[in-house]
Amino acid sequence: KNEVEQSPQNLTAQEGEFITINCSYSVGISALHWLQQHPGGGIVSLFMLSSGKKKHGRLIATINIQEKHSSLHITASHPRDSAVYICAVSGFGNEKLTFGTGTRLTIIP
Amino acid sequence: NAGVTQTPKFQVLKTGQSMTLQCAQDMNHEYMSWYRQDPGMGLRLIHYSVGAGITDQGEVPNGYNVSRSTTEDFPLRLLSAAPSQTSVYFCASSYYHENAGTTYEQYFGPGTRLTVT
Repeated sequence: KNEVEQSPQNLTAQEGEFITINCSYSVGISALHWLQQHPGGGIVSLFMLSSGKKKHGRLIATINIQEKHSSLHITASHPRDSAVYICAVSGFGNEKLTFGTGTRLTIIP
Repeated sequence: NAGVTQTPKFQVLKTGQSMTLQCAQDMNHEYMSWYRQDPGMGLRLIHYSVGAGITDQGEVPNGYNVSRSTTEDFPLRLLSAAPSQTSVYFCASSYYHENAGTTYEQYFGPGTRLTVT
């Protein structure tokens, strides 16, 4: 079973700061997902990637397959970015996802 | 597109009662899954399906049943509710690549908050 670890568990930052959330996993994967969950809200997919880097607005996701590590970056953070960010991975020939426990991000105005 | 819908949003059950959580999607996704989310733990897979008529167990299937008679619907049945089943339940769907055995971007429903007393 793939072990997925996220760090930090909690992160508080000032508006405008550059944010980095990390995800590491123990076994090779076919894809990694980054998800966002607002307080009391549903879960939204931000990225799905299997190599390199993806960018959407102020969000950037990178993955290093050799090091079994991914990062989610937020540039020019804003209070509306406050949410729990969840990393999930799927193995080769395995449709099931394994989830990390999430990083709770709070952006202070 | 409504996406993934779940009903009810909230439910309180007494120990021993049974109920069905409904999940439907209108994106013609082959893969559907049920998760539970508990404080301090990641989402855990209960049951999943890669197409109509096909279901399989996930990580925590005990006490739950599923069926998939159509592509659109994937109901989750609690057979005899227990306080340990108090949780938030999410249904999700995605496209599925049968040959590679992989799924794609996940679409989640809004969740059902279940309390068992």
